[in-house]
Amino acid sequence: GAVVSQHPSWVICKSGTSVKIECRSLDFQATTMFWYRQFPKQSLMLMATSNEGSKATYEQGVEKDKFLINHASLTLSTLTVTSAHPEDSSFYICSALDDEQFFGPGTRLTVL
Amino acid sequence: GESVGLHLPTLSVQEGDNSIINCAYSNSASDYFIWYKQESGKGPQFIIDIRSNMDKRQGQRVTVLLNKTVKHLSLQIAATQPGDSAVYFCAVPGGGGSYIPTFGRGTSLIVHP
Repeated sequence: GAVVSQHPSWVICKSGTSVKIECRSLDFQATTMFWYRQFPKQSLMLMATSNEGSKATYEQGVEKDKFLINHASLTLSTLTVTSAHPEDSSFYICSALDDEQFFGPGTRLTVL
Repeated sequence: GESVGLHLPTLSVQEGDNSIINCAYSNSASDYFIWYKQESGKGPQFIIDIRSNMDKRQGQRVTVLLNKTVKHLSLQIAATQPGDSAVYFCAVPGGGGSYIPTFGRGTSLIVHP
């Protein structure tokens, strides 16, 4: 199957700083990518749909100014958590759409 | 919106037993269903899917059953192995042509050697 990578796999940052997470489709081009957030022992919650060359579509309740999404190429989408706070600590997972959704391995964000 | 839920948050089985994980959905118009496996600290991995024109589909050691009458699907894992220990999610893509799945709560499968 297709491969989606994320970088970094884990990151620890101080409160108030910004963190960028990359999502790459390694062997296919993805016009559409998705960003999810998953808290411990909970399900995946869709944050936004990232469309190459256009603005992301955010789910209700997700602050677009806090979670900046850029999908500048067909193989790369980035999620920037701006002014991170401890409550933003979570597992962030991206997926890319080919003929089906392929998920990345996730990024563990810990905000101190 | 779609409501997807799982009956049991945790399922413990002995190695070699068969496992059955259940999922209920609310939208009778849903026509495609997916099961994912998520190991600790990793992203979800596609296991098997089924379309609404089928009531059973088999893969390698896994079988998905769909009962549209009661809006229920199940994932059966035969001869469960320790490597099957993970959280299992059912997912239902949204309606209106949307392929974005809504994930259920998840069932944690624990396989005891």
